[in-house]
Amino acid sequence: DQQVKQNSPSLSVQEGRISILNCDYTNSMFDYFLWYKKYPAEGPTFLISISSIKDKNEDGRFTVFLNKSAKHLSLHIVPSQPGDSAVYFCAASDRGSRLTFGEGTQLTVNP
Amino acid sequence: GAVVSQHPSWVICKSGTSVKIECRSLDFQATTMFWYRQFPKQSLMLMATSNEGSKATYEQGVEKDKFLINHASLTLSTLTVTSAHPEDSSFYICSASEQTTTDTQYFGPGTRLTVL
Repeated sequence: DQQVKQNSPSLSVQEGRISILNCDYTNSMFDYFLWYKKYPAEGPTFLISISSIKDKNEDGRFTVFLNKSAKHLSLHIVPSQPGDSAVYFCAASDRGSRLTFGEGTQLTVNP
Repeated sequence: GAVVSQHPSWVICKSGTSVKIECRSLDFQATTMFWYRQFPKQSLMLMATSNEGSKATYEQGVEKDKFLINHASLTLSTLTVTSAHPEDSSFYICSASEQTTTDTQYFGPGTRLTVL
């Protein structure tokens, strides 16, 4: 039972444009959500997180939106840069419990 | 800050042998450490959670006698894959947290295990 889903395995955008990565979840107990960035043969790097009491959190070029009623969150990267090319994982937890990861989305930003 | 290292970064071993992977938090004390496994183009799957000084909690379907976890100090956890088989070949990643919750996990660079 995949509780966190990233339905797009890949996404390709032009440099300077917006990248939108999507994530859906099924467990209504999740109340904390995170996005990680991962390069091949490396561990994930934390990007940004959001608590369920918020619907938006922004950090520089990265913004995460949470729609609790739809059980959907998205990561917006603007403007996208070639160095953003990586696999992006969303993860969810209910506090005090473990992280559940999505399958990941490979983002490619073309110069 | 918040650096987690893993050693080795890659290892190749023969079927039937045991392999130990170390995970260290370099600049903080890790109350909790987590071990994940990732197959190609798949998600990170949590294998077990360990708190310093106590037994690890394994996820359903993970054999605790095969994947031995020791969290002997606040800066070191080890994962030993015993009697490794080719199907154990995978990318193993650890993470560490200063807290007992999962909010702030810092990940290691991972270890690529290949069992021949």
